[in-house]
Amino acid sequence: DSGVTQTPKHLITATGQRVTLRCSPRSEDLSVYWYQQSLDQGLQFLIHYYNGEERAKGNILERFSAQQFPDLHSELNLSSLELGDSALYFCASSAGTGSIHEQYFGPGTRLTVT
Amino acid sequence: AQSVTQLDSHVSVSEGTPVLLRCNYSSSYSPSLFWYVQHPNKGLQLLLKYTSAATLVKGINGFEAEFKKSETSFHLTKPSAHMSDAAEYFCVVSVAGSARQLTFGSGTQLTVLP
Repeated sequence: DSGVTQTPKHLITATGQRVTLRCSPRSEDLSVYWYQQSLDQGLQFLIHYYNGEERAKGNILERFSAQQFPDLHSELNLSSLELGDSALYFCASSAGTGSIHEQYFGPGTRLTVT
Repeated sequence: AQSVTQLDSHVSVSEGTPVLLRCNYSSSYSPSLFWYVQHPNKGLQLLLKYTSAATLVKGINGFEAEFKKSETSFHLTKPSAHMSDAAEYFCVVSVAGSARQLTFGSGTQLTVLP
C-alpha cells in the first residue's frame, strides 16, 4: 500500500458527461501528479501541483482541469467526455518537486466512457 | 527533452532463470532513472531508483539495475525469476528542469513460465 488513495475505483459514464476523480496524497507529501494510462498512448503525464499551485502541464486536454486544495487532496475534472477518454487515471504524490523524489502511485481510477 | 526506450515489449523466462529487461534513455541533463512494476489491475510500485549515486542500484524483491552512462542504458536484472514477478515493468526517466514529470517507457510485459 503506497499511502495514496484514489476514489472512485471505477467510473462508467456516457459521452458528453463530466466526472471528478479524487486523490489523497501521502500525509507528508506536498506534490500531486496526475497520469493517464491508455492502451494506445501508454502512461502519460497530465499535470503537477505543489502545495496548491500548478507547477507543470503535460499532455492534458483543455477539457480536463485539476486543482489541489488546502488540505492537499487533489481533484481531476474531465468534461465533455469522449470515448477516447476511457483510460486508467493515476494520481501520484511525492515529498518535493525535485526529480530525485520518487513518486508514490495510487491504485488508479478506471474510467469507461460509453 | 528526455525519452525512454524499452527494447522489448514482451519477455518470457522460465521460473528460476535470470531476468533481463532492457532500457535505454535519452536526456540532455543528468537524469534520475526509475523502474516501476505494475501487476494486473494494480497501481505502480517503485522497484528501484538511480539518482547519481552508486551506478549499481539494488531494489526490492531481488531486482537490481546498472546505470551505464556511456551506453545510456539502465537495464533491470534479477538472478532468478519467480512466478510472482509476472507483471508489466516500466523504465522511467526524470530530469531536473523538465517540470519534474516522469517520462515512461512503453513497458515490458514479463511472463514467467513454470
